[in-house]
Amino acid sequence: QKEVEQNSGPLSVPEGAIASLNCTYSDRGSQSFFWYRQYSGKSPELIMFIYSNGDKEDGRFTAQLNKASQYVSLLIRDSQPSDSATYLCAVINSGGGADGLTFGKGTHLIIQP
Amino acid sequence: NAGVTQTPKFQVLKTGQSMTLQCAQDMNHNSMYWYRQDPGMGLRLIYYSASEGTTDKGEVPNGYNVSRLNKREFSLRLESAAPSQTSVYFCASTRAMNTEAFFGQGTRLTVV
Repeated sequence: QKEVEQNSGPLSVPEGAIASLNCTYSDRGSQSFFWYRQYSGKSPELIMFIYSNGDKEDGRFTAQLNKASQYVSLLIRDSQPSDSATYLCAVINSGGGADGLTFGKGTHLIIQP
Repeated sequence: NAGVTQTPKFQVLKTGQSMTLQCAQDMNHNSMYWYRQDPGMGLRLIYYSASEGTTDKGEVPNGYNVSRLNKREFSLRLESAAPSQTSVYFCASTRAMNTEAFFGQGTRLTVV
């Protein structure tokens, strides 16, 4: 069973600080990595994807990928109360198929005003 | 710009009743999926359709059936609802297998 692990939290961060969310995965052959944001009672919304080692920046969000260590992270700069949500990490595993897209259980992020 | 649309948004069923959850996407995606999300369990794949005309079981298919009606529509049927099927159900679509998924707004189902 391919696994994607996230700390469930809650992770509490003061407004304006950097929020750092981490995710590890078990399949060394995984190729594609996604971060979804899910507000309470809403559906997951894609916010970032990353395929290559290193950093990818999009506005206040930066995704970081380290395939050798099998982790992917999401940094949120200048955190806002509206960033309070659950963040899901998703990984496409090397085996393919529908179960190739595996979701972590999510990290609950709270931005404190 | 609808994306993925699910109906209904809320439903209460009695044990043993049947119902069908509807899902439609207007993004010309080839693959569609049904997930359930329960507290502490994350998203679990029920069934998927890699392309029009095909369907396959996911991680938790028992008690469910699906139909890929055409490229746009993918329905999920509960033949005899059980309290264990109380959950939030999400439909999703992808351009192709193993690309980023886009989700519908979800159906909150309670079986009493």
